[in-house]
Amino acid sequence: LAKTTQPISMDSYEGQEVNITCSHNNIATNDYITWYQQFPSQGPRFIIQGYKTKVTNEVASLFIPADRKSSTLSLPRVSLSDTAVYYCLVGGYGGATNKLIFGTGTLLAVQP
Amino acid sequence: NAGVTQTPKFQVLKTGQSMTLQCAQDMNHNSMYWYRQDPGMGLRLIYYSASEGTTDKGEVPNGYNVSRLNKREFSLRLESAAPSQTSVYFCASSERTGLLAGGYYEQYFGPGTRLTVT
Repeated sequence: LAKTTQPISMDSYEGQEVNITCSHNNIATNDYITWYQQFPSQGPRFIIQGYKTKVTNEVASLFIPADRKSSTLSLPRVSLSDTAVYYCLVGGYGGATNKLIFGTGTLLAVQP
Repeated sequence: NAGVTQTPKFQVLKTGQSMTLQCAQDMNHNSMYWYRQDPGMGLRLIYYSASEGTTDKGEVPNGYNVSRLNKREFSLRLESAAPSQTSVYFCASSERTGLLAGGYYEQYFGPGTRLTVT
């Protein structure tokens, strides 16, 4: 199973760009990389997903190098409301890996 | 459109008591999941149901049973609660499990049930 490693916490200020990197050295060929966001006392919420190169949506960008052993979630111009835990997941059901593993995530604290 | 709903929101049990956590989704999703989240830890999958009529074990199934009552509802039962089962339980659903051209299906989570076993 592909295991992920993320920083435990990060600090930022409003208006800055934040990059959270995730390592997944044993990612399988069929694995996609997915990021979820979780606010206190809420369930996680899907942010973005990708397989290789770069993916962008209205919320974030995801950068994946050619070897796919890591990925970087980029949040442009964060605000206080972006304070949350961010989870990097590799794999999924029905593919080569049959489990979706949430690690401990990265607690992003945005200050004014 | 309520999305994924869970009942109850909070529950306190004594060791050895039993209870069922209820989950329902109104998005016509085929797949449903139960996770637990312990303080300072990520979510761990207990059981999932890829489609109505099927259930499979996840990472931490011991001490739990599930029932996929119909397409909308997926319940989690603790037959004999233990203090180690004190946790926040999340139910989630997705259109399907598995891989599609753009990646894995997005999971939609409920608000959680906070369970304490004394």
